[in-house]
Amino acid sequence: DGGITQSPKYLFRKEGQNVTLSCEQNLNHDAMYWYRQDPGQGLRLIYYSQIVNDFQKGDIAEGYSVSREKKESFPLTVTSAQKNPTAFYLCASSVRQDYNSPLHFGNGTRLTVT
Amino acid sequence: AQRVTQPEKLLSVFKGAPVELKCNYSYSGSPELFWYVQYSRQRLQLLLRHISRESIKGFTADLNKGETSFHLKKPFAQEEDSAMYYCALRNQAGTALIFGKGTTLSVSS
Repeated sequence: DGGITQSPKYLFRKEGQNVTLSCEQNLNHDAMYWYRQDPGQGLRLIYYSQIVNDFQKGDIAEGYSVSREKKESFPLTVTSAQKNPTAFYLCASSVRQDYNSPLHFGNGTRLTVT
Repeated sequence: AQRVTQPEKLLSVFKGAPVELKCNYSYSGSPELFWYVQYSRQRLQLLLRHISRESIKGFTADLNKGETSFHLKKPFAQEEDSAMYYCALRNQAGTALIFGKGTTLSVSS
């Protein structure tokens, strides 16, 4: 069905390795977002992008990087510089600059780094 | 500073009892506030937004600027309301949402 697809659902990596999480949407949304969800911490914004080839840091961008080369794709790379990478990562999209437009979320990727 | 505070980590009620999930915010100007819900094994989804003044699944939320609150209420809880609820605030730039830490609602019979 249409919407946002995050892959893979589960991801395991060794400490020191970079890893890229995929996020694809077919909703024709301009804006895309990455959040991190930790127990007791809620959702914290990592990066967001309002249009292609442009993105901004969120509250916890350190140790992460993103790219937005295509409207439908917003991959997140968790680098070895991220001190606590093990978490549940949520991608979302919305219509840009439409304050009534809700965020559409993916199913998430659970990353475990050992 | 922009901030959303949900003081309760867990709220447990019996079926048929009233429910109030608390949300307080910190914001300069006129805030835009939302409630999102995540049912078990489902995606996080929008429940309601203050600008629409709507009632969804029996839930309502009123913006109280004096108390800087946007509490979510339902007069009679149902078991299917059990979920994680997040209050969210649009940031000052209007470009992203700031979420609270969430409250787990557990409704038992």
